Amino acid sequence: EDQVTQSPEALRLQEGESSSLNCSYTVSGLRGLFWYRQDPGKGPEFLFTLYSAGEEKEKERLKATLTKKESFLHITAPKPEDSATYLCAVQEYGQNFVFGPGTRLSVLP
Amino acid sequence: NAGVTQTPKFQVLKTGQSMTLQCAQDMNHEYMSWYRQDPGMGLRLIHYSVGAGITDQGEVPNGYNVSRSTTEDFPLRLLSAAPSQTSVYFCASSYGGIQYFGAGTRLSVL
Repeated sequence: EDQVTQSPEALRLQEGESSSLNCSYTVSGLRGLFWYRQDPGKGPEFLFTLYSAGEEKEKERLKATLTKKESFLHITAPKPEDSATYLCAVQEYGQNFVFGPGTRLSVLP
Repeated sequence: NAGVTQTPKFQVLKTGQSMTLQCAQDMNHEYMSWYRQDPGMGLRLIHYSVGAGITDQGEVPNGYNVSRSTTEDFPLRLLSAAPSQTSVYFCASSYGGIQYFGAGTRLSVL
């Protein structure tokens, strides 16, 4: 059975304090791994897609990386506006998406 | 370009009542899906559709029905609401593996 876990469950950072969020997955054949950002009271918003081990994607202060068993979302010098819940999801070939429970990130000024 | 629109935003039902959650998208996407989101759990797939006239069950389909008569609309029906269906419901349309979500419907069943 496909499984996606995320750690930590919650993370509090000071503004400018870099850190990483983890997404671990077990699938038979990965078609893609997706990162989303979700603000309170809103739907998830797409950030990145990663397809193969070794791939990296960057957007502003965020960088996503992928290995065969996990993905990391690195946040460099975060700002308070980066506070949100970050969700990862995996899609196996011919299957639907499986989401992890998310990491709640708070960045304090 | 509105993207994915869900109505209503909030709803309170009594046990046993039925209702329909509406979802519409204006991006001409073939793939649409419904998820529920509960505290501490990931988004769980209820039903999905790969095109007009085609629907299938996801991970947690019991107690829900869907239909897809047009590309744009994908309503979710609760047949007889139960307290276990208290949740936040998200509709999404997808293209190229990227899902575009609506703002959600927060449902409470008393």
